[in-house]
Amino acid sequence: EVQLVESGGGLVQPGRSLKLSCAASGFTFSNYYMAWVRQAPKKGLEWVATISTSGSRTYYPDSVKGRFTISRDNAKSSLYLQMNSLKSEDTATYYCARYNNYFDYWGQGVMVTVSS
Amino acid sequence: DVVMTQTPVSLPVSLGGQASISCRSSQSLVHSNGNTYLHWYLQKPGQSPQLLIYRVSNRFSGVPDRFSGSGSGTDFTLKISRVEPEDLGDYYCLQSTHFPWTFGGGTKLELK
Repeated sequence: EVQLVESGGGLVQPGRSLKLSCAASGFTFSNYYMAWVRQAPKKGLEWVATISTSGSRTYYPDSVKGRFTISRDNAKSSLYLQMNSLKSEDTATYYCARYNNYFDYWGQGVMVTVSS
Repeated sequence: DVVMTQTPVSLPVSLGGQASISCRSSQSLVHSNGNTYLHWYLQKPGQSPQLLIYRVSNRFSGVPDRFSGSGSGTDFTLKISRVEPEDLGDYYCLQSTHFPWTFGGGTKLELK
């Protein structure tokens, strides 16, 4: 059974940093692209970042480019999202998702609140 | 960026009835490789999104055949026949043809 479990969320002040983690199990992690998708409270879904199987290629929308960094450790079957220079508009539930030309499996999500 | 426009925003239905959700894109979703990367998700209350349909019309594993997807180019439709209580929630389309990948604004399927 595919499982994705996020951790690392919490309350953080504007301008500070936070790092999210996602522990994967139930599939060969190194064979799949992985991604982060977020959802602001009572809002829709927004793609945040994607990383290739080896980690050599990463993709971001302009809204987070230069501030967020996606990375992975295939030996640990783990995905990460380093978020710097956080803004209030980054407040959201962040989902880890497996990418297979579409997001086929999602974690339960982790809440990030950016507020002073 | 490709804008994905979903209609309606809210869709009241009766149990056992049929529902139809439209998703239109601001440009063609046909990739240079010939595939169309348009997918549908359902987010039940308090849960993570779950994949229903991938690449326009392919049902994901375990998805009942009451769900069907169709369309091409810029115009796509998700149909749900014989609506059941577990079908209620927010539906989203996603395009992963063009970067940045973008979602539709969502359609809330609720009881009439």
